[in-house]
Amino acid sequence: AQKITQTQPGMFVQEKEAVTLDCTYDTSDPSYGLFWYKQPSSGEMIFLIYQGSYDQQNATEGRYSLNFQKARKSANLVISASQLGDSAMYFCAMREVYIQGAQKLVFGQGTRLTINP
Amino acid sequence: NAGVTQTPKFRVLKTGQSMTLLCAQDMNHEYMYWYRQDPGMGLRLIHYSVGEGTTAKGEVPDGYNVSRLKKQNFLLGLESAAPSQTSVYFCASSPTQTGQGLNQPQHFGDGTRLSIL
Repeated sequence: AQKITQTQPGMFVQEKEAVTLDCTYDTSDPSYGLFWYKQPSSGEMIFLIYQGSYDQQNATEGRYSLNFQKARKSANLVISASQLGDSAMYFCAMREVYIQGAQKLVFGQGTRLTINP
Repeated sequence: NAGVTQTPKFRVLKTGQSMTLLCAQDMNHEYMYWYRQDPGMGLRLIHYSVGEGTTAKGEVPDGYNVSRLKKQNFLLGLESAAPSQTSVYFCASSPTQTGQGLNQPQHFGDGTRLSIL
């Protein structure tokens, strides 16, 4: 069975510093995908970044980058130059393909990030 | 750009009552999903649908039923609400999951906060 582990329940970072949110995963499927979502206090789920298991390079999207270490089964999210608006809950999720191609996401428990001014 | 819309946003029920949560998407997505989010547990898949007229069970389907009579709508029903179903419910949708479509994220609604007394 697939499993996602986020070991940091909470993190506190000074504004403008970089922050790394940890995510490790466990799967026997050679083909998988990893997603990061942001959930601000308002509750919505916002897609940030995706990394496929066969992607040769680490994914980047603006201030977000993914430190993908396949051998260690880790997919850490790096936020550069953090901003107050980055304060939120962050979820790592792994894609598992169901029958007929439906995409089941297995979520970690999340990390609550607080950016201090 | 409505995306995924969930109604209602909040609801309080008494044990044994029934209700239906409505999810509507305007992105012409084939796949739709219902998740529940409980404190400290991330999101868990309840039911999903790979197209109009089809539904399937996810990780925690007991006590829920779903229907997908129209491609754009996915309904989640609670026939006899129980306090254990107090949660935040999220609907999501995604396009066809084949080939490069596997890297497409799920798009989430804003959630429905449901309390069962």
